[in-house]
Amino acid sequence: QKEVEQNSGPLSVPEGAIASLNCTYSDRGSQSFFWYRQYSGKSPELIMFIYSNGDKEDGRFTAQLNKASQYVSLLIRDSQPSDSATYLCAVMASGGSYIPTFGRGTSLIVHP
Amino acid sequence: DVKVTQSSRYLVKRTGEKVFLECVQDMDHENMFWYRQDPGLGLRLIYFSYDVKMKEKGDIPEGYSVSREKKERFSLILESASTNQTSMYLCASSLRGEAFFGQGTRLTVV
Repeated sequence: QKEVEQNSGPLSVPEGAIASLNCTYSDRGSQSFFWYRQYSGKSPELIMFIYSNGDKEDGRFTAQLNKASQYVSLLIRDSQPSDSATYLCAVMASGGSYIPTFGRGTSLIVHP
Repeated sequence: DVKVTQSSRYLVKRTGEKVFLECVQDMDHENMFWYRQDPGLGLRLIYFSYDVKMKEKGDIPEGYSVSREKKERFSLILESASTNQTSMYLCASSLRGEAFFGQGTRLTVV
């Protein structure tokens, strides 16, 4: 059973701070990693993906991957109240089966 | 722009009814998915399709079936709706992993 674990939160950070969201996964064969943001009552939207060990930056977002530790994280710099949402981590194995396994999500609250 | 469209945003059905949820994507993606999302349980995969007329069961297929007669359309069928199928249903499509979701259908079975 492939598992993706996230702390459900809520993670509360002040406006302007760095929010750090973490995700661990059980399948060592995982090759692709995704972060989705889901506002309350809305569907998930893709914000980042990462395939290689290390950091990947996109604006205020940085995804970090450590395959040896089976760990992927999302950093949000200069957090804004509009970043308040649930963040879902998804992991996909290699081998042609394009089925992502989702974590249950971490609720982030950015307070003014 | 990527577009996945689900036929209904809200739906109320009676126990025992046959329910059809439709999903259309305009990105020529091979892969399409149906998930349900419940508080505390996250996204659970019901069915997956990787090509026209091809389907695979996900983690919770019981009580559901699917149809994919055309590449752009993936339908979820509740054969006989029950109250424990009250949920948010999400359709998604992808090419090689990045999933794009429809707006979701909140189904209530009474």
